Amino acid sequence: DIQMTQSPSSLSASVGDRVTFTCRASHSISTYLNWFQQKPGTVPKPLIYAASRLQSGVPSRFRGSGSGTDFTLTISSLQPEDFATYYCQQSYSNPYTFAQGTKLDI
Amino acid sequence: QVQRHGSGPGLVRPSETLSLSCPVSIDSMTSYYWSWIRQPPGKGLEWIGYISDSGSTDYNPSFKSRVTISIDASKTQFSLKLRSVTAADTAVYFCAYSQYEGYFDYWGQGTLVTVSS
Repeated sequence: DIQMTQSPSSLSASVGDRVTFTCRASHSISTYLNWFQQKPGTVPKPLIYAASRLQSGVPSRFRGSGSGTDFTLTISSLQPEDFATYYCQQSYSNPYTFAQGTKLDI
Repeated sequence: QVQRHGSGPGLVRPSETLSLSCPVSIDSMTSYYWSWIRQPPGKGLEWIGYISDSGSTDYNPSFKSRVTISIDASKTQFSLKLRSVTAADTAVYFCAYSQYEGYFDYWGQGTLVTVSS
């Protein structure tokens, strides 16, 4: 199995801050990397696919990058609605694994 | 985006079978992969498996011995059956789908299933 690891596990920030989350795969996954945002009690929302491509409707302040084993998700200027938990997920091979998530709070 | 809601019992007894279903929309123009994903309370996400429009399946090896995902004959619902459940199977179960294998672009609302006697 490909293990996915995110850091940090939690992060405190303020509105207007720039934040970066890191995701690492245990084996190279090319750019088969996706990011999701989840708020408490809600469904995960797809943000980015193929490491850097924004899903339709996702604001441009979200940016994904990376390939191989190391990936980042950057939010350029935090908005109040961005406080949530973020998960990366690899779609390279079965089982399609998620990392444990990074909780972003105020 | 079509809203998809899983349905099924919210309480299952240990050693029994968890059964959930979710609506599908199959047409001749687009093929989809229909997945089940779960999230134990306060924890992360875990992919269980998928079924394609053609009926082919792929399962997470962690569940392979006790899971079946199927599409009904009328092709209006896809279902999850997880056998021999324990308390560790207590989770919110989501259905999700995408045109691409291993991707989860659209999600159902999720169903909380508690395993308890």
